[in-house]
Amino acid sequence: DAGVIQSPRHEVTEMGQEVTLRCKPISGHNSLFWYRQTMMRGLELLIYFNNNVPIDDSGMPEDRFSAKMPNASFSTLKIQPSEPRDSAVYFCASARRGFSGANVLTFGAGSRLTVL
Amino acid sequence: GQQVMQIPQYQHVQEGEDFTTYCNSSTTLSNIQWYKQRPGGHPVFLIQLVKSGEVKKQKRLTFQFGEAKKNSSLHITATQTTDVGTYFCAVIYNQGGKLIFGQGTELSVKP
Repeated sequence: DAGVIQSPRHEVTEMGQEVTLRCKPISGHNSLFWYRQTMMRGLELLIYFNNNVPIDDSGMPEDRFSAKMPNASFSTLKIQPSEPRDSAVYFCASARRGFSGANVLTFGAGSRLTVL
Repeated sequence: GQQVMQIPQYQHVQEGEDFTTYCNSSTTLSNIQWYKQRPGGHPVFLIQLVKSGEVKKQKRLTFQFGEAKKNSSLHITATQTTDVGTYFCAVIYNQGGKLIFGQGTELSVKP
């Protein structure tokens, strides 16, 4: 199993540019989460999907952020336009959701975004 | 808002000393999970606690879930340099599976 695959691993861009982060979850997992990690705010949940359907996007900072999951094997997180305060490590994680609702997450390696 | 408080934020210990991090919630939890993130790495699942008063051990790590299911702790006995990293607790706040992480406790171990 290749685990959760994220790309790109590193991205440096200029303010105002569009950024697209990609995630391939573990095959068979039916929940997918996007987190953002910064020193100041820790690990913040941005959005999560169950069976490709967005369940809770209350953590998405503002309209500049959008996420999609067109199928069970792919998700994107897009920032348009990007700003320096978006600089962070973005993690994708997937889980096989059980009956209790408990998700044991497997994280990808993360995408480190720097917006200049 | 939905959150879990984790303390301390940082802990510096001498190798061989013990270490404990705590998580507290104002609401009763259905379960709690613990993750470890090595420097420069990603969070990795350690364990999940479900039952009131539950205690689980993994070698030198001991995990406890409070009787009221509102708090939990992770204790490491005789720390080693390989224990370095940030330890997070994570809780679910609804049946939809929304998993919220504590602020984390960063552990450094001086050899």
